Amino acid sequence: GDSVTQMEGPVTLSEEAFLTINCTYTATGYPSLFWYVQYPGEGLQLLLKATKADDKGSNKGFEATYRKETTSFHLEKGSVQVSDSAVYFCALRGSGRRALTFGSGTRLQVQP
Amino acid sequence: NAGVTQTPKFRILKIGQSMTLQCTQDMNHNYMYWYRQDPGMGLKLIYYSVGAGITDKGEVPNGYNVSRSTTEDFPLRLELAAPSQTSVYFCASSSSDVQGPQHFGDGTRLSIL
Repeated sequence: GDSVTQMEGPVTLSEEAFLTINCTYTATGYPSLFWYVQYPGEGLQLLLKATKADDKGSNKGFEATYRKETTSFHLEKGSVQVSDSAVYFCALRGSGRRALTFGSGTRLQVQP
Repeated sequence: NAGVTQTPKFRILKIGQSMTLQCTQDMNHNYMYWYRQDPGMGLKLIYYSVGAGITDKGEVPNGYNVSRSTTEDFPLRLELAAPSQTSVYFCASSSSDVQGPQHFGDGTRLSIL
């Protein structure tokens, strides 16, 4: 079945550092890929998405590129802020499906 | 601009008790979902619905029941609470647009003691 693997956290960075959170997936066909962010005490919010190979999703300075050849969708940001501290989930939606398959989440802590 | 609303936010149950987690959305979405999030884990799908009167099992349905009598509401029922059901429960909804995102509620934190 479909699966998503994320790098384990927590990831601790200083403000303005470069961020990469790795995400790889296993799925048949052509899934859509997503990054969701969860701030403390809140539900998940869509951060960005990509629906086909080589698409780049971007939002709020975050980017991720759908790489079918490496089955990856790594999240990057050039300069993190304290307000980016949250848990980040990589997810996929398989071809013809509606529900999402999530990775285990990566906690990001940004220190001033 | 409510979106997806879940109640209650927190609940403590004793083993064997029953309860219903409420979920309502005001976006006229056809698709609704229930997930559970265990500590350090991703979300796992419990049940989903593609429209009023239609529900189906997800990855971890045992111990739960759902109903969908209206487009807006998708309650999740625990009949005999067990410690293994201690988790954070999230309800989500999405439109008929296959590319549309899922919108999540703020979650219900449930402890079974």
